[in-house]
Amino acid sequence: AQTVTQSQPEMSVQEAETVTLSCTYDTSESDYYLFWYKQPPSRQMILVIRQEAYKQQNATENRFSVNFQKAAKSFSLKISDSQLGDAAMYFCAYRTSEIQGAQKLVFGQGTRLTINP
Amino acid sequence: DTEVTQTPKHLVMGMTNKKSLKCEQHMGHRAMYWYKQKAKKPPELMFVYSYEKLSINESVPSRFSPECPNSSLLNLHLHALQPEDSALYLCASSQGLPGVSGNTIYFGEGSWLTVV
Repeated sequence: AQTVTQSQPEMSVQEAETVTLSCTYDTSESDYYLFWYKQPPSRQMILVIRQEAYKQQNATENRFSVNFQKAAKSFSLKISDSQLGDAAMYFCAYRTSEIQGAQKLVFGQGTRLTINP
Repeated sequence: DTEVTQTPKHLVMGMTNKKSLKCEQHMGHRAMYWYKQKAKKPPELMFVYSYEKLSINESVPSRFSPECPNSSLLNLHLHALQPEDSALYLCASSQGLPGVSGNTIYFGEGSWLTVV
């Protein structure tokens, strides 16, 4: 079974600075997808960024980028120019291969990010 | 438009009550999901429907009964719940096209359930 580990329960960063959240995973599959979701106090899970395992290029979405190291099974999220609105719980997630057209997301335990003004 | 709508936002029910949570999406997605999330924990998968058929049941107690009336709607019927079932219940959807990989799963805002 796949597992996802986030080793940083909490992190904080000064506004406008850069922060990196860590995530490692374990799988025997060769083709898979990885995601970072953000969950603010409103509790809605918002997709931040996704990475296809077969792509060597790291995904980027505006101020958010990932460092995907497939051999090391590492998938970290870098947030540049941190803003107060980035404060949230961040979950790393692994998407399993399809079962009858549906997938399962396996989540890490989450990292609570605080932005200091 | 990546919108999954859940109702009600908050629900308080007694252990003998019967209630339902509802979820709707109009993105043409064919896979829909129920997740349960306890405080300070990640979401845990409960059920997955693909093309209106139950494809995954993660050994959820029978007091939770899912229903998918059509491809846009997903219900979770609740009966004889326990206080420990109090949690945030998240609905989600994805394209769910067989053989098409990379389907992102989109979440609703959740329904807060309190069992008293």
